[in-house]
Amino acid sequence: SAVISQKPSRDICQRGTSLTIQCQVDSQVTMMFWYRQQPGQSLTLIATANQGSEATYESGFVIDKFPISRPNLTFSTLTVSNMSPEDSSIYLCSAILAGTSGANVLTFGAGSRLTVL
Amino acid sequence: RKEVEQDPGPFNVPEGATVAFNCTYSNSASQSFFWYRQDCRKEPKLLMSVYSSGNEDGRFTAQLNRASQYISLLIRDSKLSDSATYLCVVLGAGNTPLVFGKGTRLSVIA
Repeated sequence: SAVISQKPSRDICQRGTSLTIQCQVDSQVTMMFWYRQQPGQSLTLIATANQGSEATYESGFVIDKFPISRPNLTFSTLTVSNMSPEDSSIYLCSAILAGTSGANVLTFGAGSRLTVL
Repeated sequence: RKEVEQDPGPFNVPEGATVAFNCTYSNSASQSFFWYRQDCRKEPKLLMSVYSSGNEDGRFTAQLNRASQYISLLIRDSKLSDSATYLCVVLGAGNTPLVFGKGTRLSVIA
């Protein structure tokens, strides 16, 4: 089955800096999704990354804070800009892939654990 | 009312026990339902989809009650390896994104 790779797997950053997370899918997908999971919280969708058009952001998330690139059908990046300690979280990339039974499954990368000091 | 609500647990059960989790959802137009499993410091992975007629996969049974707007997950003969957080996931109508519950923590004890 297809695999989603994310990097970095973890990072510790100073406030005010920015970090770009990369996500690679080993098959072509129309949409890629970026989620955030804060400690003890559920996954929250940040935005949907569409190839060839701007990302679609969910309520509470803006492009200036979380710029997203989607240069082709297998790759996307999420940047967390001007970071503050409140941005400390796990950021997860995902896509809808064919599962082992053939049905489409929302599949996640291993996540990028970000700590902002 | 939150879109998807789960009892956070933790549920601490002995090996071999049967345990059930419920999840309620607020959007009556929701169309698809899933249970995901998330191990500590790992990404969520699909455990099973939930079908209207209920479905079973080995020791796991998922059920949907549209009238009362809840889904359930039953785990029989619990194993130590079942220890994880179980996330309830709901897909609304149209292009609304998947909504995740906060998860229910299960610890199976020897």
